[in-house]
Amino acid sequence: EVHLLESGGGLVQPGGSLRLSCAASGFTFGTYAMSWVRRGPGKGLEWVSLIYTTGARTFYSDSVKGRFTISRDNSKSALYLQMNGLRAEDTAIYYCAKDLIPRDVVGPMDSWGQGTLVTVSS
Amino acid sequence: EIVMTQSPATLSVSPGERATLSCRASQSVSTNLAWYQKKPGQAPKLLISGASTRATGIPARFSGSGSGTELTLTISSLQSEDFGVYYCQQYNSWPFTFGQGTTLDIK
Repeated sequence: EVHLLESGGGLVQPGGSLRLSCAASGFTFGTYAMSWVRRGPGKGLEWVSLIYTTGARTFYSDSVKGRFTISRDNSKSALYLQMNGLRAEDTAIYYCAKDLIPRDVVGPMDSWGQGTLVTVSS
Repeated sequence: EIVMTQSPATLSVSPGERATLSCRASQSVSTNLAWYQKKPGQAPKLLISGASTRATGIPARFSGSGSGTELTLTISSLQSEDFGVYYCQQYNSWPFTFGQGTTLDIK
């Protein structure tokens, strides 16, 4: 069974940094692209970032480009999101999600973690 | 960026009735569209990919249709456990984008 467990969320001041982690199990992690998706308070889902299987290609939404960095360690079955220059509008539950189809055929995400809450406030 | 617009914002349907949720794209997404169900306190669940292919374990009462800019999710006979917020997501072009969601209430 696929299991994704996010960690690293918390309260941070505007301009601060956090690093989110996602521990994966139950599948061959290095075979699937992975994403971070967030849901802000009272808002819908917003896709944040995607990384291909080897980490060679990464993608970001315009709202986080230049401030967030996605990475992965396939030897540890782990996904990361380094968040710098945090803003109040980054306050959200952050989910890691696994792509449905292996080998970088990116698109639908068929497994999600329970999320970790990031709160940006002074 | 492709903007996804869902309608209606809220839908109240009685058990056993049909629910039809719409998703409109600002430009064609072909059939590169997924539908998700989100319940409070739970992770999103993939229902449909490729506009019409049900994900593993999803009941046959859920069906997706359409292509291009007009796509639809239909729940043929609503069950009480089908409440929640439904999101469409396009993956035709970067950045992938979600609709704002349709809240499905059970009457």
